[in-house]
Amino acid sequence: GAVVSQHPSWVICKSGTSVKIECRSLDFQATTMFWYRQFPKQSLMLMATSNEGSKATYEQGVEKDKFLINHASLTLSTLTVTSAHPEDSSFYICSARTGENYFQPQHFGDGTRLSIL
Amino acid sequence: AQSVSQHNHHVILSEAASLELGCNYSYGGTVNLFWYVQYPGQHLQLLLKYFSGDPLVKGIKGFEAEFIKSKFSFNLRKPSVQWSDTAEYFCAVRVAPGTYKYIFGTGTRLKVLA
Repeated sequence: GAVVSQHPSWVICKSGTSVKIECRSLDFQATTMFWYRQFPKQSLMLMATSNEGSKATYEQGVEKDKFLINHASLTLSTLTVTSAHPEDSSFYICSARTGENYFQPQHFGDGTRLSIL
Repeated sequence: AQSVSQHNHHVILSEAASLELGCNYSYGGTVNLFWYVQYPGQHLQLLLKYFSGDPLVKGIKGFEAEFIKSKFSFNLRKPSVQWSDTAEYFCAVRVAPGTYKYIFGTGTRLKVLA
């Protein structure tokens, strides 16, 4: 149980294009989803927290106009990297948690490796 | 700001050796603590978690961790590792109560030699 699917797993695109990454909870309703970014040999850095039906809360230093997050349903959140540039190349990971039970942990997707040429 | 330190970045062990991975955090209040494992090519999976009660927590696959509040530590242990334990291990802290956000350590890459 508690499977989170992330798509695509790998994307290569030209500088200036926008890229959308999907995060789906397959067998539970995700009231809260999280988006992380991971640089090589570094930790997962939280970018934003999104709750279904409301605007995402971005961490300090994360450009909300650059990284658009939508959490339109209880099973889907999307991250759109707008006008992507080589410095946006990274590994993006989503996670989700269910319900209002504070003790529920986060469940993670497989990640998306984004390479901007 | 809160932070999490994992001092061992790379660990190499032979099968059957004992394992201890360090995790220290900086926050003076109540925390929830987690260890996640990421096998090659897979997503992060929860190994164990601590919220309250017995500071010695047992998780899946024979792992355990001990919360020592006075040392701000939550070290992961396993008495006898197997080749299949080769993975990256992440410690995460959540400030409690009131937030669901995790702060992750930088991870420890464990390689177990057969």
